[in-house]
Amino acid sequence: GAVVSQHPSWVICKSGTSVKIECRSLDFQATTMFWYRQFPKQSLMLMATSNEGSKATYEQGVEKDKFLINHASLTLSTLTVTSAHPEDSSFYICSVQTSGRGNEQFFGPGTRLTVL
Amino acid sequence: GESVGLHLPTLSVQEGDNSIINCAYSNSASDYFIWYKQESGKGPQFIIDIRSNMDKRQGQRVTVLLNKTVKHLSLQIAATQPGDSAVYFCAALRGNDYKLSFGAGTTVTVRA
Repeated sequence: GAVVSQHPSWVICKSGTSVKIECRSLDFQATTMFWYRQFPKQSLMLMATSNEGSKATYEQGVEKDKFLINHASLTLSTLTVTSAHPEDSSFYICSVQTSGRGNEQFFGPGTRLTVL
Repeated sequence: GESVGLHLPTLSVQEGDNSIINCAYSNSASDYFIWYKQESGKGPQFIIDIRSNMDKRQGQRVTVLLNKTVKHLSLQIAATQPGDSAVYFCAALRGNDYKLSFGAGTTVTVRA
């Protein structure tokens, strides 16, 4: 399977600042990556689909201007949380889709964001 | 839309016993299901998957059962070990797209 890394693994920032999270596919060229958010003791909620070379598609209720996604290459997608607030504190996880329709989706280790 | 849920939020099991985790889904058009294991502070890890043209699939110490009639699937872990302690999620493909809907998760705790 694909090896997926995220950077940073955790970040603490002040309210109002922007934070960029990187998702890298280390051994696979991924045209599609997904970004999820997970609050404590809750499930993963899909935020958006990151498409290489084109705009991301966002799930209903996710603000595209707040969560900027850039998928500039086949191995890197970035999620920028703009003007972060304490309610944005969460565990952000990316995944890489390697083939076909959903049957091969490999997850990164996650990034813990804490906004003070 | 898809709604995926788990019957029990927590499961405590004695080491060496078998574990059964259940999941129900709402969209009869869902045709692909996956079980993931998530340890604290980590991303989900693939355990096993099953397509709707099957009703059973076995892996190493794990078995997934799918009952399309009642829209239910289960994960069975044989001879549960301390390393199996984690949160387990079922996920279903939503309709014709490539996106996964996750259930709420069951926390499995293995007692020594």
